[in-house]
Amino acid sequence: AQTVTQSQPEMSVQEAETVTLSCTYDTSESDYYLFWYKQPPSRQMILVIRQEAYKQQNATENRFSVNFQKAAKSFSLKISDSQLGDAAMYFCAYGTGSNYQLIWGAGTKLIIKP
Amino acid sequence: GAVVSQHPSRVICKSGTSVKIECRSLDFQATTMFWYRQFPKQSLMLMATSNEGSKATYEQGVEKDKFLINHASLTLSTLTVTSAHPEDSSFYICSARQDYRGAAYNEQFFGPGTRLTVL
Repeated sequence: AQTVTQSQPEMSVQEAETVTLSCTYDTSESDYYLFWYKQPPSRQMILVIRQEAYKQQNATENRFSVNFQKAAKSFSLKISDSQLGDAAMYFCAYGTGSNYQLIWGAGTKLIIKP
Repeated sequence: GAVVSQHPSRVICKSGTSVKIECRSLDFQATTMFWYRQFPKQSLMLMATSNEGSKATYEQGVEKDKFLINHASLTLSTLTVTSAHPEDSSFYICSARQDYRGAAYNEQFFGPGTRLTVL
């Protein structure tokens, strides 16, 4: 069975600095998707970034980028130039196939220090 | 992006009553909808998956008779918590997806959630 592990319950970073959130997963599939979702205090889940496993190039969305290491089954999220609005719970998730169900990590609470 | 709404956003009810939560896809047809439960400071727990016109598939440990799910149309799914008790108090989130056959990936869109408090 697939599992997703986020080993950092909480991380803090100074505003404008860079922070990296860790995620590892376990799967026997070769084709799958990995996601980072943000859940701010409003509780609305927001897709931050998506990575297709067959793509070697790391996904990037503005200040957000991932370090995808397929062999190591690692999928970390880097947030550059951290802003106060980045404060939220961040969840790593895994899905396989077009009709996937998401498998979720436990989440990392990100605190931004002004 | 696609929009998913949930109603109500908050509900408080007495123990023993039933509560219905609606999940609507506003600008797309949701072939598949998911219902999650989220406890404070925890991750999302998948409760069930529903496809339009079919019976919902419940995850292990989720009581079908307790959490009734109806996906009657391509834009609406409902979750009814029957005979609610204080332990059912939680944050319930739905998500919706339009499945394109042959597509490598179909995105899931999330509703804003419903906070249920059972007194």
